[in-house]
Amino acid sequence: DTEVTQTPKHLVMGMTNKKSLKCEQHMGHRAMYWYKQKAKKPPELMFVYSYEKLSINESVPSRFSPECPNSSLLNLHLHALQPEDSALYLCASSQGVGSYEQYFGPGTRLTVT
Amino acid sequence: GESVGLHLPTLSVQEGDNSIINCAYSNSASDYFIWYKQESGKGPQFIIDIRSNMDKRQGQRVTVLLNKTVKHLSLQIAATQPGDSAVYFCAEIHNTNAGKSTFGDGTTLTVKP
Repeated sequence: DTEVTQTPKHLVMGMTNKKSLKCEQHMGHRAMYWYKQKAKKPPELMFVYSYEKLSINESVPSRFSPECPNSSLLNLHLHALQPEDSALYLCASSQGVGSYEQYFGPGTRLTVT
Repeated sequence: GESVGLHLPTLSVQEGDNSIINCAYSNSASDYFIWYKQESGKGPQFIIDIRSNMDKRQGQRVTVLLNKTVKHLSLQIAATQPGDSAVYFCAEIHNTNAGKSTFGDGTTLTVKP
């Protein structure tokens, strides 16, 4: 199984809502990532988890809160988002942070109204 | 600052022709580069990588060339097929142990039948 799954595929939320994005992999990878991708732009790194510990936070606003409950799961909790946060949110995993080949999920298309 | 950029935002080729996608980078200390392919509605997919101490690396129908003198990276696709139509990103690894990747702006490849 070389797949990274993400749910939901699409999400529409208001600025006062609280929602969560989920990511799952069963490849035994110990590094997991969240990226944000705006239309026609490259992915931008948000967070890196290594062995279930947050190792990189790219100065992401606190309205985005990542969580890694176990080695297979990665969540992104969303609260009080702004319309400019609308984007495709991609999850990726790799064997370790020193392993360059990252496997990406299909993403969650988020719209903030 | 550091940046990874592509020379052309779009490239259109005839099926069966060879494609060359270019990328210029600015950080001479980067020690690893990756090419990703992103099809519509999907996450980026790893194609090929190259270390900074190499000039060339070949895969199946793809070749990556690295010219450190002019900080230039290219992806060559042989006998381009309709399934190759996608957005191609180069990515630069800043720190081999931290898992940080910076993506370039992307080139949209369209293959005409």
